[in-house]
Amino acid sequence: AQRVTQPEKLLSVFKGAPVELKCNYSYSGSPELFWYVQYSRQRLQLLLRHISRESIKGFTADLNKGETSFHLKKPFAQEEDSAMYYCALLSAGGTSYGKLTFGQGTILTVHP
Amino acid sequence: GAGVSQSPSNKVTEKGKDVELRCDPISGHTALYWYRQSLGQGLEFLIYFQGNSAPDKSGLPSDRFSAERTGGSVSTLTIQRTQQEDSAVYLCASSPGTSGRVVYNEQFFGPGTRLTVL
Repeated sequence: AQRVTQPEKLLSVFKGAPVELKCNYSYSGSPELFWYVQYSRQRLQLLLRHISRESIKGFTADLNKGETSFHLKKPFAQEEDSAMYYCALLSAGGTSYGKLTFGQGTILTVHP
Repeated sequence: GAGVSQSPSNKVTEKGKDVELRCDPISGHTALYWYRQSLGQGLEFLIYFQGNSAPDKSGLPSDRFSAERTGGSVSTLTIQRTQQEDSAVYLCASSPGTSGRVVYNEQFFGPGTRLTVL
């Protein structure tokens, strides 16, 4: 069974400090992983996907198959980064194609 | 164009009553997903529709939960004989669709329905 673990429910940093939100996964196939973000009073939205190898709003995430991790990083946090972040794993086969398995989420607070 | 919409935005009901939650996906999106967001549980997958059929109902927590989709568009999630543990935010998402092993189609989420069972 596939599983996503985000060990930190809460993470607080000061503005300008580096931030890393941890995500570990369990999946028997080749994983496709995503980070979703939910800002206060806004909808859940896609932040980035590993397959695109992109940087969005200064965030990057590298898939490490050896450590089964997909940690989200940003070198200099901004106050507007404060939000709930979810790591998600895609089901890529059979009847479950497209289904996302989410971690429990990490609330990031960036203090001024 | 308009995004995914859900109604009602808030629903308070008494234990034992039935509730219906509605989702209007983005026009043209063939795939539709229901998730539940609750404290301590994170986001849980409930059910997935491709068109009007539901190939994956594995996430429905009990037989009190059911969902349907008509016309390849609107979907309704029904919870019968609600219990307090059903209290959560129910999220709907839609995507352009799935066709075998293709590039993942981003899921677009609605604002959610906050259900409170007293």
